[in-house]
Amino acid sequence: GEDVEQSLFLSVREGDSSVINCTYTDSSSTYLYWYKQEPGAGLQLLTYIFSNMDMKQDQRLTVLLNKKDKHLSLRIADTQTGDSAIYFCAEPYGGYQKVTFGIGTKLQVIP
Amino acid sequence: DAGITQSPRHKVTETGTPVTLRCHQTENHRYMYWYRQDPGHGLRLIHYSYGVKDTDKGEVSDGYSVSRSKTEDFLLTLESATSSQTSVYFCAIRELAGPYEQYFGPGTRLTVT
Repeated sequence: GEDVEQSLFLSVREGDSSVINCTYTDSSSTYLYWYKQEPGAGLQLLTYIFSNMDMKQDQRLTVLLNKKDKHLSLRIADTQTGDSAIYFCAEPYGGYQKVTFGIGTKLQVIP
Repeated sequence: DAGITQSPRHKVTETGTPVTLRCHQTENHRYMYWYRQDPGHGLRLIHYSYGVKDTDKGEVSDGYSVSRSKTEDFLLTLESATSSQTSVYFCAIRELAGPYEQYFGPGTRLTVT
């Protein structure tokens, strides 16, 4: 599969913004994903972006895509304790049959 | 809720014993996946299926086999469990159309002693 890299850990105070960064390898991917995993649960798709977009906003979430640098970021505004989770960057490969997930960034929100 | 269940949810077994994990879906999805999640490695694909009796290997398939005799069930078998297979195992299904979202089951925590 492709390589997707992201940092392991991020700690923020409640009410601040969180920014989780990711780099990917396949510039031909049509979609790039952010999945969220809450404690004791499976992953769920949080948001995604088309590769022809630079930015996507969805309520408190903003996804930024820099195709030149193959860099993807997820910004969570007004971070809440309920946002504490592991966030995975992911990209498809093999004609969308498979997905490579990053190692996951654990977001800790301090009240 | 994408109608995915996994059984058992927790299992402790001894080295050398065979183990079968079951994934069951209720929504007739063609694509099904088995992943393992380990600290420091994230999520890694073991095997996947693109239809009944159609399966293929993922990046960490050694020591695992799968079977899919019905659309709704995807079985993962550890022929002879080893301690390195202690992990959390997730099953997932995938939409046929873009953005090809994957829905995950609740996971099975397997401990091999």
